[in-house]
Amino acid sequence: DTAVSQTPKYLVTQMGNDKSIKCEQNLGHDTMYWYKQDSKKFLKIMFSYNNKELIINETVPNRFSPKSPDKAHLNLHINSLELGDSAVYFCASSLGLSVWSPLHFGNGTRLTVT
Amino acid sequence: TQLLEQSPQFLSIQEGENLTVYCNSSSVFSSLQWYRQEPGEGPVLLVTVVTGGEVKKLKRLTFQFGDARKDSSLHITAAQPGDTGLYLCAGRRNNNNDMRFGAGTRLTVKP
Repeated sequence: DTAVSQTPKYLVTQMGNDKSIKCEQNLGHDTMYWYKQDSKKFLKIMFSYNNKELIINETVPNRFSPKSPDKAHLNLHINSLELGDSAVYFCASSLGLSVWSPLHFGNGTRLTVT
Repeated sequence: TQLLEQSPQFLSIQEGENLTVYCNSSSVFSSLQWYRQEPGEGPVLLVTVVTGGEVKKLKRLTFQFGDARKDSSLHITAAQPGDTGLYLCAGRRNNNNDMRFGAGTRLTVKP
């Protein structure tokens, strides 16, 4: 069973479109994250939710809106896509906020904006 | 400016050689983790270090957390082609809400 699953794995779309990426975890974790990995492989945190409450919201354009309907899901909606949004987006989860809690990552969604 | 600076960015060595990857910051972290990422997959945890000065060994990998909990190193002994991958350090701070990653070290071990 996949622990953290993201869909779709690949997303190709045109500038100006709106798209969503879904993430689900079956680990029973209460904290979920979205990271963006650019072409240089730098993983940058975008959002973090703990028990469905937003706890980290980095300087991300407000075209990006996360939604957590329950603890097991954290979806990412992107409006008015731009070329610079092209990247791999990773969802992750962890159990609580302990110093020991590792992040469990999905396999990423490669977004290409043309 | 990144919170965690990793060096080197790229490392290409021959099988059997030893190597060290560094992760440095001016910030103090409650814990530091090392991950390894394969192409097309998400990062996978290798180790967590919490105590300043802590050393952990995982087979041929040795991880060290600096005394001031601002930096860490990963040493690989007798590298093998299977060690090839992207190594990422990540630090927790701000009541553990925040997990920040370094830019990674891409290691290639040639047979």
